[in-house]
Amino acid sequence: GAVVSQHPSWVICKSGTSVKIECRSLDFQATTMFWYRQFPKQSLMLMATSNEGSKATYEQGVEKDKFLINHASLTLSTLTVTSAHPEDSSFYICSARARTSGSYEQYFGPGTRLTVT
Amino acid sequence: AQKVTQAQTEISVVEKEDVTLDCVYETRDTTYYLFWYKQPPSGELVFLIRRNSFDEQNEISGRYSWNFQKSTSSFNFTITASQVVDSAVYFCALIPRGGFKTIFGAGTRLFVKA
Repeated sequence: GAVVSQHPSWVICKSGTSVKIECRSLDFQATTMFWYRQFPKQSLMLMATSNEGSKATYEQGVEKDKFLINHASLTLSTLTVTSAHPEDSSFYICSARARTSGSYEQYFGPGTRLTVT
Repeated sequence: AQKVTQAQTEISVVEKEDVTLDCVYETRDTTYYLFWYKQPPSGELVFLIRRNSFDEQNEISGRYSWNFQKSTSSFNFTITASQVVDSAVYFCALIPRGGFKTIFGAGTRLFVKA
């Protein structure tokens, strides 16, 4: 089956620093990747959608300059949390949609737990 | 409006009980896809089932079964003879045709006690 990896699986950083999270589709080409944020005991909140080679589309209320998304290739998307603050602490999940996915199915990564101190 | 409602926030059962997780969806589209995912404490979403809107057949997979009823816009999930390992958060989700986004329900947290 289609596999999506995320790296790192968890990260602790100091307030004011930037953190980069990688999302890779391991055995398929992903034309579209999605980034979600999940707070404890809540559902997944879509942050942005990125298509390979083009700018990401951000959901309302998500700061583009804060959460930089780059979808440089058909197998890699990155999310950079810039100047992180404690309120950015959350569980970040990426997903990828295969180029040939007629059913629009997404394959989810295992998530990255970010803690900002 | 496109929406998924999981009215049950938390459910607690004793092992071997059957439990049904409700999911009601709203969409104007006639073609759409419905999903169920399991999220164990580790956090990774586990795909359970996909169903398209033209296939109303119920499905059974081991102890899991799904009841899709377009007349009531529901896609309920039943676990038979629940086990402690079933403890997790379960999400119902909708992708409308042509839609880029997955619309998630709020999730139902299931506790199965030994």
